[in-house]
Amino acid sequence: DVKVTQSSRYLVKRTGEKVFLECVQDMDHENMFWYRQDPGLGLRLIYFSYDVKMKEKGDIPEGYSVSREKKERFSLILESASTNQTSMYLCASGTAYNEQFFGPGTRLTVL
Amino acid sequence: DQQVKQNSPSLSVQEGRISILNCDYTNSMFDYFLWYKKYPAEGPTFLISISSIKDKNEDGRFTVFLNKSAKHLSLHIVPSQPGDSAVYFCAPAESNTGKLIFGQGTTLQVKP
Repeated sequence: DVKVTQSSRYLVKRTGEKVFLECVQDMDHENMFWYRQDPGLGLRLIYFSYDVKMKEKGDIPEGYSVSREKKERFSLILESASTNQTSMYLCASGTAYNEQFFGPGTRLTVL
Repeated sequence: DQQVKQNSPSLSVQEGRISILNCDYTNSMFDYFLWYKKYPAEGPTFLISISSIKDKNEDGRFTVFLNKSAKHLSLHIVPSQPGDSAVYFCAPAESNTGKLIFGQGTTLQVKP
């Protein structure tokens, strides 16, 4: 079975802090994605990567950056957390854009 | 400008009855359509998909219908079971980028 793990299930940070969300997949997938899920808005794509050291902006990249130094690991970085970044963050991986396997999510609260 | 709309935020059905979840889209570049299911505190899991060259795909209790002219797809669950209670997202894929565009989700509650 494909396994996508995320470093934390719940995280509480303060405004202005730098936040790292880690995602690791064990299936050698080329493609990895970061989404956020908010009530009434569904899942919105923040960034994605189709290869090591490659990254592409999604629909809402503002305030975020990503890092993919190894194929299995894709990190989402909030350079200076703000309260409007309180959300559920979901990482996914897949072999093709239309086959995505999700991690359990990180519920981030920014105070 | 939302390209994918699931206009019913919630749906409640009785166990054993049919659940019908709807999804409308505007982008003609979508060529593959997926449905994901999400339980609380878990990530979404893939449920069923359909290619734009088909109008129906069935997998056990789950059937997805695609009406390309109306830019509408629906997910039918029959018979519905309490374990089907979850949030359902439709997610068309863009043919030019391959990205998935998720709808807002519909929360299904199946009552015993």
